[in-house]
Amino acid sequence: SQQGEEDPQALSIQEGENATMNCSYKTSINNLQWYRQNSGRGLVHLILIRSNEREKHSGRLRVTLDTSKKSSSLLITASRAADTASYFCATDAGSARQLTFGSGTQLTVLP
Amino acid sequence: EAQVTQNPRYLITVTGKKLTVTCSQNMNHEYMSWYRQDPGLGLRQIYYSMNVEVTDKGDVPEGYKVSRKEKRNFPLILESPSPNQTSLYFCASSYQRGNNEQFFGPGTRLTVL
Repeated sequence: SQQGEEDPQALSIQEGENATMNCSYKTSINNLQWYRQNSGRGLVHLILIRSNEREKHSGRLRVTLDTSKKSSSLLITASRAADTASYFCATDAGSARQLTFGSGTQLTVLP
Repeated sequence: EAQVTQNPRYLITVTGKKLTVTCSQNMNHEYMSWYRQDPGLGLRQIYYSMNVEVTDKGDVPEGYKVSRKEKRNFPLILESPSPNQTSLYFCASSYQRGNNEQFFGPGTRLTVL
């Protein structure tokens, strides 16, 4: 079952611009994670933000979390063509069984 | 290098011919899981395992089997594949629990004719 829903489904920008992707979810969470998937490849973990954190940075990535709105955003600054990939949010709602992945945002960065 | 490996990476088979997709991790992770990824449906969990000899159904287990005889290996078995099992399959592992950071394999693209 999908809890996280990313928005937009697809995003196309020019190299050097910033890319912002949003994730909304339905139930309370312990943490939210963002993953990246290059075409046809496995997902790679990017960053984790806990429910008591509001913002986190990692290199050119900035993640925010608003638990009152049940939403998160991933900002990639100064995008590069190599950032072209699908980005997924995944929520931890306390089940040891699994994370729940969203449907993803396809980001295309044009050179 | 810490990694999750899957074999084969690509497979074309015919309806009803039993197949096994292997998955192995070298990180001593307790938790392992299989997902399938289909366009418009995202990642759906097939089976998961919390530890050796402990497996359980995910969201879409019909038509699949798994086993966990060793900590590092978690094979996915399709006893009688059907065309609706044509998909991209991922194995993943994580430390202790399924809600920790997941490490994914490279994927297996399966086509059932």
